[in-house]
Amino acid sequence: GAGVSQTPSNKVTEKGKYVELRCDPISGHTALYWYRQSLGQGPEFLIYFQGTGAADDSGLPNDRFFAVRPEGSVSTLKIQRTERGDSAVYLCASSLMPADAQFFGPGTRLTVL
Amino acid sequence: QQQVKQSPQSLIVQKGGISIINCAYENTAFDYFPWYQQFPGKGPALLIAIRPDVSEKKEGRFTISFNKSAKQFSLHIMDSQPGDSATYFCAARSPRTGANNLFFGTGTRLTVIP
Repeated sequence: GAGVSQTPSNKVTEKGKYVELRCDPISGHTALYWYRQSLGQGPEFLIYFQGTGAADDSGLPNDRFFAVRPEGSVSTLKIQRTERGDSAVYLCASSLMPADAQFFGPGTRLTVL
Repeated sequence: QQQVKQSPQSLIVQKGGISIINCAYENTAFDYFPWYQQFPGKGPALLIAIRPDVSEKKEGRFTISFNKSAKQFSLHIMDSQPGDSATYFCAARSPRTGANNLFFGTGTRLTVIP
């Protein structure tokens, strides 16, 4: 596809469950970012990958959050023991090179009941 | 602490009018300032961006004005159209080594009345 894609578009889960959110960046983009957007707020940075490695994970709120990008393309954001406060839209973005413009996907809306 | 402060929170403009959204920042290390447009249920879409060595950048009806000394930048939408009704976010990036994340403002909900 031409743009960043994210699956699922919506995810409803129960408190305490484990969830995985997937991001397919634009083909050839080396940098990948995860952000979280709460209702009525701007996106907040979670983690940034350059290639396969997490170059900056300073935005992850706690150790329940983890992300991987094993082959330098698709990335998965993993949330353990979900809490109601994790409910938000999780956005993925990619850029051709680290300093280039970031292009966002449509997001995954996570609802923790 | 909000790294980028954005105002107003909401804005109503008549069709054909000028929409102006303002942002301010404190970190003088920021080196890139994009604006994003977001429609309900969609991800943010890059609209226009500027670097601090330029005072103004224009693309079609959209203009960024940048005041480095005041640490402020603004988005002007000329001849605003109902289709411009969306939420607009300013952002800034720090060139801190190994980091490229954007700091976003809290957003401005623009409504253009026909």
